[in-house]
Amino acid sequence: DIQMIQSPSSLSASVGDRVTITCRASQDISNSLAWYQQKPGKAPKLLLYGTSRLQGGVPSRFSGSGSGTEYTLTISSLQPEDLATYYCQQYHSTPPLTFGGGTKVEIK
Amino acid sequence: QVQLVESGGGVVQPGRSLRLSCAASGFTFSTYGLHWVRQAPGKGLEWVALISYNGRTEYYADSVKGRFTISRDNSKNTFYLQMNSLRADDTAVYYCAKDLVRGLYAFDIWGQGTMVTVSS
Repeated sequence: DIQMIQSPSSLSASVGDRVTITCRASQDISNSLAWYQQKPGKAPKLLLYGTSRLQGGVPSRFSGSGSGTEYTLTISSLQPEDLATYYCQQYHSTPPLTFGGGTKVEIK
Repeated sequence: QVQLVESGGGVVQPGRSLRLSCAASGFTFSTYGLHWVRQAPGKGLEWVALISYNGRTEYYADSVKGRFTISRDNSKNTFYLQMNSLRADDTAVYYCAKDLVRGLYAFDIWGQGTMVTVSS
């Protein structure tokens, strides 16, 4: 099984800050990586897939990059509504599909 | 409006069974793979099961293999998760979700979630 390690597990940043979350796979996942945002009490929402492809309706301050085993989600200018937990997910190897452990983003 | 709506959650004793349903609308149901994903209280996301667009292929997480069965009824735009021999560690919010594109296992539409509590 492919393990997905996310870091940090939590962070606190100010409105307007640039925020970066990293996801490391236990083997090459060939850019088959998605990012989700989950707000408290809500279902996850797809932000990006294929490492860097923005899902429709997602603000352009969200971007993704990476290759091989290391991937990054960047929020270019943190907004109050970005308070959430973010998860990466690999879909290169099934089964199983695997998620990272999550990164909780708080606003200072 | 594209949506998935789960039902069937509740409180069940260990060892008993429960069936979750997920009703779809707003998209061509029979052309997408479908998934169940769960989230234990205060924990992260765990993929549970996948069924292919035509129902011929199923995959399961090791934690539920042999106990859970995913199925679909394309005539009713509904898919299911039959959960047998339930254990306390199956307690979670269960989400249904669909593939972004057939064969691309990222999830673009999610249900609202249904809570399953396994407790005596």
